[in-house]
Amino acid sequence: DQQVKQNSPSLSVQEGRISILNCDYTNSMFDYFLWYKKYPAEGPTFLISISSIKDKNEDGRFTVFLNKSAKHLSLHIVPSQPGDSAVYFCAAFAGLGSQGNLIFGKGTKLSVKP
Amino acid sequence: SQTIHQWPATLVQPVGSPLSLECTVEGTSNPNLYWYRQAAGRGLQLLFYSIGIGQISSEVPQNLSASRPQDRQFILSSKKLLLSDSGFYLCAWSVLGPLHFGNGTRLTVT
Repeated sequence: DQQVKQNSPSLSVQEGRISILNCDYTNSMFDYFLWYKKYPAEGPTFLISISSIKDKNEDGRFTVFLNKSAKHLSLHIVPSQPGDSAVYFCAAFAGLGSQGNLIFGKGTKLSVKP
Repeated sequence: SQTIHQWPATLVQPVGSPLSLECTVEGTSNPNLYWYRQAAGRGLQLLFYSIGIGQISSEVPQNLSASRPQDRQFILSSKKLLLSDSGFYLCAWSVLGPLHFGNGTRLTVT
């Protein structure tokens, strides 16, 4: 049973527009959520995170929103750039020090077209 | 600054052959170390993690094993590879924060 779900395997967006990547989770014990970005043949790179005590975290063009009641989080990229084209993984764990229990979604491939 | 090295980048091995993938971390002490695998069409699956020298936790039963002979060295091994072991293997480290990944090893078992 998947505890972290990214239901859209791919997303295509025009350069300059907003990209919205979605993630749902089932485990109510998760209290820390992360987004990673991965280019082909490279390891994932940490992008942005949010703890369950917040509902929004912003870092430059990247904003993560958390809706705990819906067990849903999303990553907004504004404006989208061609260099943002990559696979984005949502991940979650319960309790600091438990990063070994980081659960990843299957990823969403974002294509930003010039 | 911290860096993580993982090698080799690509590897093609026949079924039944042994495996040894190595990962080292620089610029930090006492990191937690992890081995993940990304198989085709799947997310990242945690295989092993270690909180210290000689301390290994296995998350998924399989024919792989891990060892941590030194504080900043993590090794993934197998005595006999299976076709199903093909995938993209990632080493990662953390110290009470997000995981930081290496560039991965693409393993193809033929």
